[in-house]
Amino acid sequence: SFELTQPPSVSVSPGQTARITCSGDALALQFAYWYQQKPGQAPVVVIFKDTERPSGIPERFSGSGSGTEVTLTISGVQAEDEADYYCQSSDSSGTWVFGGGTKLTVL
Amino acid sequence: QVQLVQSGAEVKKPGASVKVSCVASGYTFTSDHINWVRQASGQGLEWMGWMNPDTGKTGYAQKFQGRVTMTRDTSITTAYMELSSLRSADTAVYYCARTTNSGMDVWGQGTTVTVSS
Repeated sequence: SFELTQPPSVSVSPGQTARITCSGDALALQFAYWYQQKPGQAPVVVIFKDTERPSGIPERFSGSGSGTEVTLTISGVQAEDEADYYCQSSDSSGTWVFGGGTKLTVL
Repeated sequence: QVQLVQSGAEVKKPGASVKVSCVASGYTFTSDHINWVRQASGQGLEWMGWMNPDTGKTGYAQKFQGRVTMTRDTSITTAYMELSSLRSADTAVYYCARTTNSGMDVWGQGTTVTVSS
């Protein structure tokens, strides 16, 4: 199996830019996905295939990556963006793994 | 609209089994994989396995090999996840999720499974 590593927490003030990183060897070969989860709710995909944004997800959410690290960037953070964020990837056998999650706090 | 609706909360004793259902609607059930993910209280997301509803083929996380079984009934567009030999550490919310090229893009509402003597 493989692992994805995220920082446990990130804090930003409203209007600033939040960057959440995710690292793991598999990311050099496989796509990354990002999920937002608010308390008591199911996760929602906010970025797929490293950089793609699903319809309905605000433009302030973007994804980037290089080598074994990917980054979720939230520009102009709003209070409603406070949530847990999880990166996800897979290996060639179809095994999926989630990162440990990052709690985004909007100060 | 595309929807996954899961069965209700379960309370089980240690050593028992639980079977959670996930009813799909609004899309062609056999076109996309169903994955199962669980989340213990205050913890992160944990992937359990996937199932191809068209073929019935499955793939399980190594941690759950031998204890989990994922099946489906295409006539009623329902996926199932059965977990056996339950222990207290299996107490969690269990989610089914449709998986497409856009990732796990539709999730069920979650089923709480409590394992307690």
